[in-house]
Amino acid sequence: ETGVTQSPTHLIKTRGQQVTLRCSSQSGHNTVSWYQQALGQGPQFIFQYYREEENGRGNFPPRFSGLQFPNYSSELNVNALELDDSALYLCASSLLMNTEAFFGQGTRLTVV
Amino acid sequence: ELKVEQNPLFLSMQEGKNYTIYCNYSTTSDRLYWYRQDPGKSLESLFVLLSNGAVKQEGRLMASLDTKARLSTLHITAAVHDLSATYFCAVDIIAGGGADGLTFGKGTHLIIQP
Repeated sequence: ETGVTQSPTHLIKTRGQQVTLRCSSQSGHNTVSWYQQALGQGPQFIFQYYREEENGRGNFPPRFSGLQFPNYSSELNVNALELDDSALYLCASSLLMNTEAFFGQGTRLTVV
Repeated sequence: ELKVEQNPLFLSMQEGKNYTIYCNYSTTSDRLYWYRQDPGKSLESLFVLLSNGAVKQEGRLMASLDTKARLSTLHITAAVHDLSATYFCAVDIIAGGGADGLTFGKGTHLIIQP
């Protein structure tokens, strides 16, 4: 059984660019959540996907968007990158919407 | 709005000592979690607490939950250097049929010195 995997592990982008981060959920898990963790802070909930539909969203602007695919893997897309988007982005998967989530290793995004 | 507060935010202690980290949350929660995070790494799940009075122990760490007081504690017994890390508590609630995800505290940065 493989765990949650994210790619890439590190990424550097320029302000104004767009970025796509990827997440493969743990085998059998149909729910994926994304979190943003700024340096020295706790993770903040971005959104959650369940069976390819967004079913919950935190306080993030529309330029943060996502997808979930039939195999339950997921993408996080961020448009018009800002310096404050620099953070560790964490993906978590769970078997159902309200069961324990397991986190991937994260993608460190740096916006310059 | 659900708020989660941890204290202390920073803790430096000596090996062999005992200490407790506190986590308060502002509204009724379905579950409370404790995570460990090493520098530059992801979150490692330590405990999931589901009901009032729940107590779980793993090695030198013990977590408890008082839902009436909206308080969870993470107790460290006879600390060792390997426990140095940042510890987060998090709670979740399911509102309106959707999901609000986990709400995390700011974390407690724990340094254990020889």
